[in-house]
Amino acid sequence: GAGVSQTPSNKVTEKGKYVELRCDPISGHTALYWYRQSLGQGPEFLIYFQGTGAADDSGLPNDRFFAVRPEGSVSTLKIQRTERGDSAVYLCASRTGGPSDTQYFGPGTRLTVL
Amino acid sequence: AQSVTQLDSQVPVFEEAPVELRCNYSSSVSVYLFWYVQYPNQGLQLLLKYLSGSTLVKGINGFEAEFNKSQTSFHLRKPSVHISDTAEYFCAVILSTGGFKTIFGAGTRLFVKA
Repeated sequence: GAGVSQTPSNKVTEKGKYVELRCDPISGHTALYWYRQSLGQGPEFLIYFQGTGAADDSGLPNDRFFAVRPEGSVSTLKIQRTERGDSAVYLCASRTGGPSDTQYFGPGTRLTVL
Repeated sequence: AQSVTQLDSQVPVFEEAPVELRCNYSSSVSVYLFWYVQYPNQGLQLLLKYLSGSTLVKGINGFEAEFNKSQTSFHLRKPSVHISDTAEYFCAVILSTGGFKTIFGAGTRLFVKA
């Protein structure tokens, strides 16, 4: 079946602009994660959804970052007033079941803030 | 809080030689342990995971890892590497109960030379 998809694959924006990054998880996966991966680093946890609700948003760096998952499937990560330091690859992953289950990752969205 | 340390940022090795990629973790509670691989221009995929039971776990592509509770380590090994194993390898932990947040190490770049 289809894997996790993310759109766009690349996004270039100017400092101060608003961006939305989309994640389509694997059908039936109730759990969804967002991560940020900077060059030369491992993925950094941002937020976790179980169904429609954010069960853990402790990784969001500040209030410019926000994520939603209104119907329990597609999720959107929203970044307001982008800064150059937000430039990174944003990864989405989904899983079914509990923490022992495998997370399936999307290809990521490369965000560049000029 | 949990943390993951990958002791080597880069590991160069000749083809058909054995390799060990080191991972140490810190946690005051029980965790699940994972190794993910990221091939060039591809998303992360699971290599193997330790949940409980036998401390030696086998994964895909001939990789295996050994969980050592006393040393809080989860080192990844392969007895004979191939050129195609060139990739970035990430160690990760997640709480075994109520676990949402996944903590990744910074990654180890394995470079296999002919």
